[in-house]
Amino acid sequence: GAVVSQHPSWVICKSGTSVKIECRSLDFQATTMFWYRQFPKQSLMLMATSNEGSKATYEQGVEKDKFLINHASLTLSTLTVTSAHPEDSSFYICSVPNYYEQYFGPGTRLTVT
Amino acid sequence: GQQVMQIPQYQHVQEGEDFTTYCNSSTTLSNIQWYKQRPGGHPVFLIQLVKSGEVKKQKRLTFQFGEAKKNSSLHITATQTTDVGTYFCAGHNAGNMLTFGGGTRLMVKP
Repeated sequence: GAVVSQHPSWVICKSGTSVKIECRSLDFQATTMFWYRQFPKQSLMLMATSNEGSKATYEQGVEKDKFLINHASLTLSTLTVTSAHPEDSSFYICSVPNYYEQYFGPGTRLTVT
Repeated sequence: GQQVMQIPQYQHVQEGEDFTTYCNSSTTLSNIQWYKQRPGGHPVFLIQLVKSGEVKKQKRLTFQFGEAKKNSSLHITATQTTDVGTYFCAGHNAGNMLTFGGGTRLMVKP
């Protein structure tokens, strides 16, 4: 069964609004979760590392004020895309590391109109 | 920074033909992982290789880690339509940062 869930699976929003995406680890606790973005036919790009109890670590070029990450508990991390623009339309995937494996969520397809 | 490149980007094969994707890192890796992403789906972990020169097999899939731990390959024997998808390699460097390759999209004609 699913190890990592994401909600919503898809969302359409208007430009300028904010969207929150949830990532839940269902089978084990996760002090760390990763957020990726994947544009069509491209590879996964790590956006940030979500750390339970402390601030997220953002990759170079990712605006931390635009992509707000909150690791609320050992099983939940949220990514909020603030003031979304059409160029933010993408597939957002979270992953949870467990030993050397990474378990990916099913992804959230965001479309900004 | 660390770069991981995969070739080819796309590969069309006839069902039953073999397929190979190659992964090359600009830096030495502590390990290499392979993932498969079906169209419309999310990446699913396939395997991890750790040792220099390591070879692992999963049914028709053969994974190899280079002696210098900077390259890897995935070979599929006698492809089937169920093999369709994008195959990503991802490598951890000494700093434990995981970097994904660009992926190889495999299309299999029945």
